[in-house]
Amino acid sequence: TQLLEQSPQFLSIQEGENLTVYCNSSSVFSSLQWYRQEPGEGPVLLVTVVTGGEVKKLKRLTFQFGDARKDSSLHITAAQPGDTGLYLCAIPDYGQNFVFGPGTRLSVLP
Amino acid sequence: DTAVSQTPKYLVTQMGNDKSIKCEQNLGHDTMYWYKQDSKKFLKIMFSYNNKELIINETVPNRFSPKSPDKAHLNLHINSLELGDSAVYFCASSQQINSPLHFGNGTRLTVT
Repeated sequence: TQLLEQSPQFLSIQEGENLTVYCNSSSVFSSLQWYRQEPGEGPVLLVTVVTGGEVKKLKRLTFQFGDARKDSSLHITAAQPGDTGLYLCAIPDYGQNFVFGPGTRLSVLP
Repeated sequence: DTAVSQTPKYLVTQMGNDKSIKCEQNLGHDTMYWYKQDSKKFLKIMFSYNNKELIINETVPNRFSPKSPDKAHLNLHINSLELGDSAVYFCASSQQINSPLHFGNGTRLTVT
């Protein structure tokens, strides 16, 4: 089973600030997904990246897949309180399911 | 309409009891899953079920058993509950294996 690391583990920022969170593995993966989980709810898919070097934008969120397909980053511009949540990255694991990273808990203070 | 729904949302029970959590998806997906999220928010796969093929995570105790009456349902039955079973259990579905996951809102199980 491949293992994923995410950093930072916790992040607390003020509204309007920018931030970047990271997801890393020692292995190459075919694709990677980012999810956001809000308290009391299940994770919700934000994006899937499949090509090394790929950049995808979702409003104020920018996702990048590393050239070597071992890492990914999520950058949020001008964070808002509604961005608060647990950000999880996930990769396919031998075709049977997904392995999730431990997550980054983001808190955006008004 | 809720795509993946699971019941109950909260479940408090005593050690040794047997309980079930129900899950239904109306997305027409072929694959369903059960994940366990511990107190540190770490999500770990328990089972995946695709076209009547059950893939079991070998670390899951055999007190846990998934039951699928049809493609839209994957229930989780737990026998002889233990304190360490306390967690949030998420049902999920995907169109096929390796497709994005759609999660339910979780069942918070507390064993006292």
